[in-house]
Amino acid sequence: GENVEQHPSTLSVQEGDSAVIKCTYSDSASNYFPWYKQELGKRPQLIIDIRSNVGEKKDQRIAVTLNKTAKHFSLHITETQPEDSAVYFCAASWTGANNLFFGTGTRLTVIP
Amino acid sequence: GAVVSQHPSRVICKSGTSVKIECRSLDFQATTMFWYRQFPKQSLMLMATSNEGSKATYEQGVEKDKFLINHASLTLSTLTVTSAHPEDSSFYICSARESQGFNYNEQFFGPGTRLTVL
Repeated sequence: GENVEQHPSTLSVQEGDSAVIKCTYSDSASNYFPWYKQELGKRPQLIIDIRSNVGEKKDQRIAVTLNKTAKHFSLHITETQPEDSAVYFCAASWTGANNLFFGTGTRLTVIP
Repeated sequence: GAVVSQHPSRVICKSGTSVKIECRSLDFQATTMFWYRQFPKQSLMLMATSNEGSKATYEQGVEKDKFLINHASLTLSTLTVTSAHPEDSSFYICSARESQGFNYNEQFFGPGTRLTVL
């Protein structure tokens, strides 16, 4: 089955700096890679996703890159703000798959 | 769009009792719903996949007789924790996926239920 690894487990950055979270996956059939943000005690919220027909996708301060050859994808947050502080989960899946395979999460702290 | 509700948000019960958690897709039809368990500071652990009108598929290590899942309609799935024990205390989150369309893989999460068993 699919195995998703996520690094780092914790990340602290100064407000305004960039944050990068990396994930690797094992199954070459995976073609859907969402990123979720979870604030304490709340539901995971989809913030961005990418499909394997593109290598990069950007939405304002958030971007995701995908390297299918190397089987890794990354989340980039620029100009971080304190409200970006949360736990971020990556996941992988493929068309027709029943479920998402989640990474172990990264706790991001943005220091004002 | 794509809102998922979950009820109750918090429940405290005595050991040995059963607790039912409801998960509803409010503005879309969900052929498939998922139930996750999340321990503090840990990732989402998939417990089971719930398909409308059929038996749920449980992940390895999850007792189906303890965690009863019913997906009676395209908008409602329930998880019943039977004979709850303190070790069942956790944050339970459901998610739902639309029946069809381009975003077939995308899951929408409920707000979660914090279960505390005394």
